[in-house]
Amino acid sequence: DAGVTQSPTHLIKTRGQHVTLRCSPISGHKSVSWYQQVLGQGPQFIFQYYEKEERGRGNFPDRFSARQFPNYSSELNVNALLLGDSALYLCASSYRPSGDYGYTFGSGTRLTVV
Amino acid sequence: AQTVTQSQPEMSVQEAETVTLSCTYDTSESDYYLFWYKQPPSRQMILVIRQEAYKQQNATENRFSVNFQKAAKSFSLKISDSQLGDAAMYFCAYRTSGTYKYIFGTGTRLKVLA
Repeated sequence: DAGVTQSPTHLIKTRGQHVTLRCSPISGHKSVSWYQQVLGQGPQFIFQYYEKEERGRGNFPDRFSARQFPNYSSELNVNALLLGDSALYLCASSYRPSGDYGYTFGSGTRLTVV
Repeated sequence: AQTVTQSQPEMSVQEAETVTLSCTYDTSESDYYLFWYKQPPSRQMILVIRQEAYKQQNATENRFSVNFQKAAKSFSLKISDSQLGDAAMYFCAYRTSGTYKYIFGTGTRLKVLA
């Protein structure tokens, strides 16, 4: 079975632009979470979606938004990019939102804002 | 708010030896989950081991084991018979109740010396 897949793997954007990151969870997993990992730090929680509904949101500005589709894939959108948005964006999936047995992470999208 | 602290930015261990990575956390919750994740250069976060706070028995997964001290809010990871493939960043994570988000520490870089 395919793991959590994220696309693209790398991209470079200019300040002020908009970006969309995509995530496909493991087949059968209905929960998707997004994390931002700045270089040298641990990942920080951005969003969690379950059954297409937002179940949790981290301390990120409204420039960050996300959604989950009927097939449980998800998109993370970031508007008006800032240099500080440069980071590795990780997607994680699980069958249930509680993730009691741990989440399965993708390999991330490396976003560079110049 | 919950916090997770990893006080060792970097550790080294000789191949086949044992190493312990430290993690402390702060919380007012009584029921929670703790995890150790490994992040190799491939960037994918890989679950190493999990601990349920209401279980007093320390979790073990093959060469990996934890020393969970609930009263002291300490959750260290012991790696026995270290292998070259164990070299990676190791993150301690706390899973909150309710929102189910993970709170990660800043990570410990483990180097394994041949």
